[in-house]
Amino acid sequence: EPEVTQTPSHQVTQMGQEVILRCVPISNHLYFYWYRQILGQKVEFLVSFYNNEISEKSEIFDDQFSVERPDGSNFTLKIRSTKLEDSAMYFCASRIQGGEQTQYFGPGTRLLVL
Amino acid sequence: GENVEQHPSTLSVQEGDSAVIKCTYSDSASNYFPWYKQELGKGPQLIIDIRSNVGEKKDQRIAVTLNKTAKHFSLHITETQPEDSAVYFCAASLGLYNNNDMRFGAGTRLTVKP
Repeated sequence: EPEVTQTPSHQVTQMGQEVILRCVPISNHLYFYWYRQILGQKVEFLVSFYNNEISEKSEIFDDQFSVERPDGSNFTLKIRSTKLEDSAMYFCASRIQGGEQTQYFGPGTRLLVL
Repeated sequence: GENVEQHPSTLSVQEGDSAVIKCTYSDSASNYFPWYKQELGKGPQLIIDIRSNVGEKKDQRIAVTLNKTAKHFSLHITETQPEDSAVYFCAASLGLYNNNDMRFGAGTRLTVKP
C-alpha cells in the first residue's frame, strides 16, 4: 500500500542552524501538508500546499519557515534559523485531489534543537 | 479559528470493555471529522472519519457519532484489545473548499489492560 515517507527520522541541530525536512508524498496526491507536534502536545497545522504554492499557513509558520516541491516527488520544509522551541515531531501529510478528504500522514521527523 | 477540545486525556480500560473518547469543536462550518490513532514512534493513522451529513458511522469495533447541533463527536471502541492501546486524536476540518486544513484535539492516551 502506498505511504508517505519522511527523512530523516531524527535530526539534532544547533540553535541558529538551518534544517531541511524531507517528505515524499503518495505519488498521485496533489495536496500536501506539514504539521508539528511538540512533545506531549497536540498536532498543530503549519501549512498546506497545492499547485506549487502555499494554500494556507498558520500563525506558527512565520518567515523562518518555507516549503518547496523541488521536483515531482519531494516536498520539503525548511527552517532557516532554528530556535529551541522548534524542537518537535514534524509530520508531512498528503491527500488526493477531489472529493477525498482523507489525509495520510508520514512517520514524522523528530527535530531536536540544542 | 477552529478549536477542538478532547476528553479524557488518559483512559484506562480492561480488555473487552468499551472505551469512549469525546471531542467538541467551535466552528459550526466544520464538516469533516477524522479520528487518528498514533502508536509510539509512528505518525497518525486514520482509523475512521465522519462527514457532517452523517450522524453515525461504524466499522467493526469502532464507531463514531456526530452531533452537529451540540458540536461534538465521539469515538467508541467496543471489545477493546491490548493492541488498541495508543494515543487517539480527533480532528475537525472546514473541508475541501478550505484546503481541508485540520485542527486536532490534544489526544487521549488509551491503555487496555489484559
